[in-house]
Formats: sequence, C-alpha cells, structure tokens
Amino acid sequence: IAGITQAPTSQILAAGRRMTLRCTQDMRHNAMYWYRQDLGLGLRLIHYSNTAGTTGKGEVPDGYSVSRANTDDFPLTLASAVPSQTSVYFCASSGGFNTEAFFGQGTRLTVV
Amino acid sequence: KQEVTQIPAALSVPEGENLVLNCSFTDSAIYNLQWFRQDPGKGLTSLLLIQSSQREQTSGRLNASLDKSSGRSTLYIAASQPGDSATYLCAVRVDYKLSFGAGTTVTVRA
Repeated sequence: IAGITQAPTSQILAAGRRMTLRCTQDMRHNAMYWYRQDLGLGLRLIHYSNTAGTTGKGEVPDGYSVSRANTDDFPLTLASAVPSQTSVYFCASSGGFNTEAFFGQGTRLTVV
Repeated sequence: KQEVTQIPAALSVPEGENLVLNCSFTDSAIYNLQWFRQDPGKGLTSLLLIQSSQREQTSGRLNASLDKSSGRSTLYIAASQPGDSATYLCAVRVDYKLSFGAGTTVTVRA
C-alpha cells in the first residue's frame, strides 16, 4: 500500500534554478494539495486541485505553479528558486473536501 | 480568516497518565476537524476525523470530541506510552482548505 509518494526526499538547490517536486497517489482521490511547513509558521497551503484538470491558489502561491493532468499526479514547480523557499514540502490528498486527508512523507528542500 | 490554536505547545507526562490535548478555532462554519500525529522528520499520520455533525470519534486509546458552536476540540489519549511521544496537530476544514494549528509536542517519560 503506497498511498502518497513524494520525490525527491531531499534536495539542495542553487538559487535561480528550476525544480519540480513530484507527488503521486494511488488512492484515486479527487482532491490534492501542496503544503509547506516552516518552523514557527506551521503548515500553509500553496496550491490545491479539487479534480483533474483544475487547480487553485492557496495561502502562499507566489513562486510556485502546479498542474493536474490526471488523477494520480500533482507536481509542484519552482520556476526560479529563492532561499525563502527553503522548507519541507508535503503533498496531500483526499477523496473530496469533506473526507479524510492523507499526507506524503515530505520533501526537504534547501535553496542556497 | 480561520485561526487554529493548540494549547499547550508542549507537554511532558509519565507513562500511564492520560493525555488531554486542546484545539480551538475561530470560525465554527467547518466541514470537519482532523487530528494528526507527526514524528520528527516525518510526514503527518491521520488519527481521527470528526465531521461537523458529530460530537466525538474514537479509535482504540484515542477519543476526540468536537464542540463546533464553541470552536473547540479535545483529543484524549488513554494510558499514554513512550511510543505516543510526537507532535499532535489539529486541522479544520472549510471548503478546499485545511487550516492547521501549530501543534502540541508530547513527551511520555518511561
């Protein structure tokens, strides 16, 4: 039982580089989300998708983009990384907005 | 804007004692409330989900209550064990958004 798989597990990235964080779920959930977790700031929503083909902005979307070409995959792209994007990134999914949410193991990203 | 508060921020108890973790939220128009556990350097593990129409939910040694009108939820963990040491997060759902508290870090001393 895989659930949600995120890749890579960790990454050190030079500022200005482009990076895509991958997220795949095998639960056929309609809704998917990207959060970042920072000490003192907690978990904040970056982008979400309530079904394949649609996406929406969360609390902190600037500098990030997402796509949802199919049900299973929800990649997060940093077009030009900056040090303030150093964080732990979590992908999550749920069957709908009123059902249990499940989280991946996270990607620890350091931008230098 | 929904604000979620968890008090206390940290808790240390001897093994066998019952744990009581509190969560409060400012906007009572929620779909549901979910409790998570997070171990250091790991992802979030779902513990319990309470729908807005429910008053409580139980799973093994865990029991969570919800008082939507007063904006409060409490997670009870009976007969704590060292393996219960972790950070516990509550999150409330409104539409697409899950709003998280900062968490309560629990240490259970053997």
